[in-house]
Amino acid sequence: EVQLVESGGGLVQPGGSLRLSCAASGFTFSTYWMSWVRQPPGKGLQWVASIDEAGSKEYYVDSVKGRFTISRDNAKNSLYLQMDSLRADDTAVYYCAVRSGSSWYHWGQGTLVTVSS
Amino acid sequence: QSVLTQPPSVSAAPGQKVTISCSGSSSNIGSNLVSWYQQLPGTAPKLLIYGNNKRPSGIPDRFSGSKSGTSATLGITGLQTGDEADYYCGTWDNSLSAGVFGGGTKLTVL
Repeated sequence: EVQLVESGGGLVQPGGSLRLSCAASGFTFSTYWMSWVRQPPGKGLQWVASIDEAGSKEYYVDSVKGRFTISRDNAKNSLYLQMDSLRADDTAVYYCAVRSGSSWYHWGQGTLVTVSS
Repeated sequence: QSVLTQPPSVSAAPGQKVTISCSGSSSNIGSNLVSWYQQLPGTAPKLLIYGNNKRPSGIPDRFSGSKSGTSATLGITGLQTGDEADYYCGTWDNSLSAGVFGGGTKLTVL
């Protein structure tokens, strides 16, 4: 059974940093693209970033470029999202998801990031 | 403002059929496969349809998907109260080099 468990969310002040982690199990992690997708409170889904199987290609939504970094450790079956210079509009539940083609097949339960002073 | 356009809400009676539309452009729906997600209240999204019209294991055949040009449609037949949820379409956009989702459609089963 595929399991994705996010951690690292919490309350952070504007301008601060946070590192999210996603522990994956139940599938061959190193053979899949992975993504982060977020959902602001009461709003819809927003794709944030994707990384290829080897960690050599990264893609980001314009609003986080230069502030967020997606990475992975295939030896640890883990996905990460380093978030710097956080803003109030980054407040959201952040999901990690397994990407295949143009679909996101499996999703974690999400971790809440709140940016507020 | 989402790249993909969905109606904010749809409703129908139990047992009836409903369709949810998703409109995009040549750089996203027109060039890539479309997927659909169901998000029940307070839970994570779940894949309903991938590859325009394929159902993952465990998804009942009451759910169907189709695509024509730059638009896609999710169909749900035999509506049940348990189908009340938010539904999202998604795909990749070649021009943006980004994943894109619709704004979501809230389904109410009256």
